[in-house]
Amino acid sequence: DAGVIQSPRHEVTEMGQEVTLRCKPISGHDYLFWYRQTMMRGLELLIYFNNNVPIDDSGMPEDRFSAKMPNASFSTLKIQPSEPRDSAVYFCASSPRGGAGTGELFFGEGSRLTVL
Amino acid sequence: QKEVEQNSGPLSVPEGAIASLNCTYSDRGSQSFFWYRQYSGKSPELIMSIYSNGDKEDGRFTAQLNKASQYVSLLIRDSQPSDSATYLCAVGTRTGRRALTFGSGTRLQVQP
Repeated sequence: DAGVIQSPRHEVTEMGQEVTLRCKPISGHDYLFWYRQTMMRGLELLIYFNNNVPIDDSGMPEDRFSAKMPNASFSTLKIQPSEPRDSAVYFCASSPRGGAGTGELFFGEGSRLTVL
Repeated sequence: QKEVEQNSGPLSVPEGAIASLNCTYSDRGSQSFFWYRQYSGKSPELIMSIYSNGDKEDGRFTAQLNKASQYVSLLIRDSQPSDSATYLCAVGTRTGRRALTFGSGTRLQVQP
């Protein structure tokens, strides 16, 4: 079975440009998460969806960040305009429906973003 | 105070020794606790989960939970160089909230 698929794996862009990161969760998983990882702040939750509906976006840094999940097999995280402090590895993860708090997140390989 | 705290390390142990990794959390309502392993340049992968006070063993790994002390630990017996990685503690901090809060991780180095 295919795991969580993220694209692009690496993105280098200039400050002010729009960045779109993409994620395809594991088929049948009802939950999708976007996390950001930096050396300074570790792994931070940005937003998560349940059945394509955003449940908690309190981790989204500011209005420059937006996320969508138009269907069960695709999600995007957009940054517009991008800034150097957005440089990080962005992980998408999915989780199957199950008992509350099962917690097994299946992570994609991540998208490494560098904003110059 | 961070919600989930870990010593960043590195924790260095000789091959064959027991590695002990610790984590504390601030939300007394937390109900689920996990250890993820992350190799350099890779994504996190789940290695242990624990929900009740006490010990849970899986092969060379033992997770320990003490809710009264808000403390969770991971023991790795017979450590191998292949165990060298960053270990992330993750906590389900609110009932019904499916997202996990992660600690910043402890880097483990197993010396051959």
